[in-house]
Amino acid sequence: AQTVTQSQPEMSVQEAETVTLSCTYDTSESNYYLFWYKQPPSRQMILVIRQEAYKQQNATENRFSVNFQKAAKSFSLKISDSQLGDTAMYFCAFMKPWHIQGAQKLVFGQGTRLTINP
Amino acid sequence: ETGVTQSPTHLIKTRGQQVTLRCSSQSGHNTVSWYQQALGQGPQFIFQYYREEENGRGNFPPRFSGLQFPNYSSELNVNALELDDSALYLCASSLGGTGDYEQYFGPGTRLTVT
Repeated sequence: AQTVTQSQPEMSVQEAETVTLSCTYDTSESNYYLFWYKQPPSRQMILVIRQEAYKQQNATENRFSVNFQKAAKSFSLKISDSQLGDTAMYFCAFMKPWHIQGAQKLVFGQGTRLTINP
Repeated sequence: ETGVTQSPTHLIKTRGQQVTLRCSSQSGHNTVSWYQQALGQGPQFIFQYYREEENGRGNFPPRFSGLQFPNYSSELNVNALELDDSALYLCASSLGGTGDYEQYFGPGTRLTVT
């Protein structure tokens, strides 16, 4: 079974600073997908960024980028020029491809509560 | 906005009662997944429905059951409610059976069991 671990329960930075959230995972699969989701206090889960394991290039989405280290099973999220609206719970998640037996479910970590201070 | 809706927004039930939660998928999606999120925790997978059939189940007892309808909307039913069932219930829709694997989440239903 796959597991996802986020070792930072809470983080706090000043606006405009850069912050990195850590995530490690465990799987025996060679092909899979990794995600970072954001859940603001309004609670709607929003996809921030995703990475296909077969791609060596790290994904980027504007101010958000990942450092994907497949051999180390590490998938960290870097937020540059942080903004007040980035304040939220951030969840790292793992998913296997559809063709592998069983549901294509998301396996989530415990989350990191990120606070951006003015 | 993801186009996925859930009802009701909030619900208060008494231990032992039964509850039905509803989810309307994003247009064109044929797969619905349900997750339970306890306070301060990450979501836990309950089950997934693909084209009206259960496509996998997490570690939840049989009193958690579901349905998916021909229009791909879905229900989550919980019988004999327990205090530990108090949580945020999230549904997510996706286009199963293709290379498009992204799941789109609804706003959730907050269930409180007293």
